[in-house]
Amino acid sequence: DADVTQTPRNRITKTGKRIMLECSQTKGHDRMYWYRQDPGLGLRLIYYSFDVKDINKGEISDGYSVSRQAQAKFSLSLESAIPNQTALYFCATSAGNLLGTQYFGPGTRLTVL
Amino acid sequence: AQKITQTQPGMFVQEKEAVTLDCTYDTSDQSYGLFWYKQPSSGEMIFLIYQGSYDEQNATEGRYSLNFQKARKSANLVISASQLGDSAMYFCAMREGRANYGQNFVFGPGTRLSVLP
Repeated sequence: DADVTQTPRNRITKTGKRIMLECSQTKGHDRMYWYRQDPGLGLRLIYYSFDVKDINKGEISDGYSVSRQAQAKFSLSLESAIPNQTALYFCATSAGNLLGTQYFGPGTRLTVL
Repeated sequence: AQKITQTQPGMFVQEKEAVTLDCTYDTSDQSYGLFWYKQPSSGEMIFLIYQGSYDEQNATEGRYSLNFQKARKSANLVISASQLGDSAMYFCAMREGRANYGQNFVFGPGTRLSVLP
């Protein structure tokens, strides 16, 4: 089984709808992240959480919110989706150790019409 | 200013040849980490190799090695004996600061590598 899972894997929605993307991990890591990937821009950080009570904004948090329901679960919400939020969304986790290597889920492809 | 620069949007290499993917970075931190990830057409992000700023030896992982030149702030990925399965996007990333005290993790725009038979 995959260490980091994301649901759904693909989603098509309409402008104005509320969308939630979910991430679960079995790696036992404290830290979780949400990124979006757009062509030619690499990955950009939306939100990150170092533990259940710690939530931080990343580079592009406007239009998004997150919830850390448990150590293993981190969800991303788009309260009112807009077309320029069409992207590939990744969840990642890392341990709070010297390396800080991030391990990624398979991604969620979101299309907002 | 870009913290991670990958100047090669696309690269071609012949199967079994070696290839170098360039990455330069910008940071004022003394402690940082550099990473390379592979993204095949299926979309997942696969961690390849890590280099710490205090590591004196260049990192190696199988056919991957990282050519770390600290003074030049470069962290190039070298893939030896390219295989068709190496065709993918490759991202260079940097963790600024000490990971166990919090971190800022940034990615470059990526290089698309195509391995020719």
